[in-house]
Amino acid sequence: QLQLQESGPGLVKPSETLSLSCTVSGGSISSTGHYWGWIRQPPGRELEWIGNVFYSGITYYNPSLKSRVTISVDTSKNQFSLSLSSATAADTAVYYCARLLKWGWGFGDNWGQGTLVTVSS
Amino acid sequence: EIVLTQSPGTLSLSPGERVTLSCRTSQTVSSNYLAWYQHKPGQAPRLLIYGASSRATGIPDRFSGSGSGTDFTLIISRLEPEDFAVYYCQQYGTSPLTFGGGTKVEIK
Repeated sequence: QLQLQESGPGLVKPSETLSLSCTVSGGSISSTGHYWGWIRQPPGRELEWIGNVFYSGITYYNPSLKSRVTISVDTSKNQFSLSLSSATAADTAVYYCARLLKWGWGFGDNWGQGTLVTVSS
Repeated sequence: EIVLTQSPGTLSLSPGERVTLSCRTSQTVSSNYLAWYQHKPGQAPRLLIYGASSRATGIPDRFSGSGSGTDFTLIISRLEPEDFAVYYCQQYGTSPLTFGGGTKVEIK
């Protein structure tokens, strides 16, 4: 059974880079039928799509975050990663990684449990 | 971007009741690419419906989705105790992917 697990610091200082990894187990990240994505949910707010990566490294980002986001994939480790630069308090959120079926721009058929990242000094 | 508006915000219901959740979009959803998720605190969101009306693998048939264009509905025919959760809709026909604000189904 496919499982996704987010990992990374739970506390990031303002202006620093927020970095998270997602380890995929029980399946291959080199699937031609899926994207791998990051979605976040700030406290009390709705889910926000950050971006997707295909196993080949092709990326798709939310325009609202594009200038600060990098998503990469490491097929040898079955992992993909998120970097969000110049973090502010507005980036405080639960961050989810997900596998998205490659229909349209993708919907998540498997999600991680999420990890809370707080941006604070 | 396409804005998704879910209503109501909260429903207080008893087990066995029928539930109707609404998701309205600000623009037509291309190819009816709309999904519904169930989310419980501390757990991973669970895919229920994709393509507006197709049940995901392992989802009980008490869950059904319908709708097209800008108006979509998720129905739970008879609430089970494990169904109390927050439900989100998401469109994936147009970038950026966007989600609704959620409907919380709570025990009355």
